[in-house]
Amino acid sequence: AQSVAQPEDQVNVAEGNPLTVKCTYSVSGNPYLFWYVQYPNRGLQFLLKYITGDNLVKGSYGFEAEFNKSQTSFHLKKPSALVSDSALYFCAVRGVSGGYQKVTFGTGTKLQVIP
Amino acid sequence: DTEVTQTPKHLVMGMTNKKSLKCEQHMGHRAMYWYKQKAKKPPELMFVYSYEKLSINESVPSRFSPECPNSSLLNLHLHALQPEDSALYLCASSQGRVATNEKLFFGSGTQLSVL
Repeated sequence: AQSVAQPEDQVNVAEGNPLTVKCTYSVSGNPYLFWYVQYPNRGLQFLLKYITGDNLVKGSYGFEAEFNKSQTSFHLKKPSALVSDSALYFCAVRGVSGGYQKVTFGTGTKLQVIP
Repeated sequence: DTEVTQTPKHLVMGMTNKKSLKCEQHMGHRAMYWYKQKAKKPPELMFVYSYEKLSINESVPSRFSPECPNSSLLNLHLHALQPEDSALYLCASSQGRVATNEKLFFGSGTQLSVL
């Protein structure tokens, strides 16, 4: 069965500092990896995805993620955090589970950017 | 139009009520999804429709009944719910068949409270 682990429930970072939100995954076959962001009382918004190719993926709002196959990780990064980045971030993997294609989300990491 | 619209935004219902959640998208997407999300938890897949046919039912209790009247609309009919069914119900869509590398577009959700 596929799974996603986000080891940190919350990450605090000062505004202007670089941020990293961690994600590791387990899936059979090639991984299709995603990051989504959720603001309070809203649905999830797509940030970026890794399908194949360059290990560094660039996405929306200045975010990027680094795919590391040997460490089965897909950490989300941003060089300079903004207060408006404060939200809940979900890592997700898409693969075959129970006989069909399915997206599995991690438990989420709350990012708090401190002014 | 790149939106998934869900109505109502909030719903309070008793355990004997019958209500429906509605979801609409006009992006020409042919896969539509219902997710359930408890507070501070990841979304959990409930149902997937692909080309207006139910393709995935994640062993959801029969008190939840999905319907896809056409390619733009997705309903979730609710009957005899339990208080533990209180959650944020998210609708999502993606472009084609339930494929491996397509991102999901989420609505803002319906916050359901069952009394």
